Amino acid sequence: DTEVTQTPKHLVMGMTNKKSLKCEQHMGHRAMYWYKQKAKKPPELMFVYSYEKLSINESVPSRFSPECPNSSLLNLHLHALQPEDSALYLCASSQDGGVGGNQPQHFGDGTRLSIL
Amino acid sequence: GESVGLHLPTLSVQEGDNSIINCAYSNSASDYFIWYKQESGKGPQFIIDIRSNMDKRQGQRVTVLLNKTVKHLSLQIAATQPGDSAVYFCAENNAGGTSYGKLTFGQGTILTVHP
Repeated sequence: DTEVTQTPKHLVMGMTNKKSLKCEQHMGHRAMYWYKQKAKKPPELMFVYSYEKLSINESVPSRFSPECPNSSLLNLHLHALQPEDSALYLCASSQDGGVGGNQPQHFGDGTRLSIL
Repeated sequence: GESVGLHLPTLSVQEGDNSIINCAYSNSASDYFIWYKQESGKGPQFIIDIRSNMDKRQGQRVTVLLNKTVKHLSLQIAATQPGDSAVYFCAENNAGGTSYGKLTFGQGTILTVHP
């Protein structure tokens, strides 16, 4: 079992809906990440939070809005998504400290999102 | 091994054989490398990591080799088992001196282990 928990496991939504993906970890990690993974492709980084502050936004469209309410939780708010946004959305966390970020990222099992 | 392309590289082995999965990374400034295993319907699972000041690291049944001269990484799995069947990704980290990671994943290799 993964120590990073993501809910829901599956989500189907229309293009006009608003929904949120949730991620939780209790490992005391202070860096948290959102990735998008299309079928038969590697994960692609979307956002990085370090100590609850947004540190990296990889030019993600504004219809994806991340939020880090506290050190254990990470949300991804979705609004007006397009069919091409259908993918597996993965959350990860890592210890944050020292130079170079040389700590492994631990992944949840993802939310499989389908946009109708 | 892994390379940029339309189709994932595949490796088929017999149970009990040793497996070697290769990866070419792109950024000479990357200083930390990780191998992940991803099974169907699951997220990537950490296998082993290596820092750029090392050229070899061993874990349980796995060994990672790093050749910085040619920017090449490999994962060796000893006595491969059917449960090792999965997609394997290498990932390079270039956090640019920050304290968090910024991973870039390779394209992945499908490992199939036949009983």
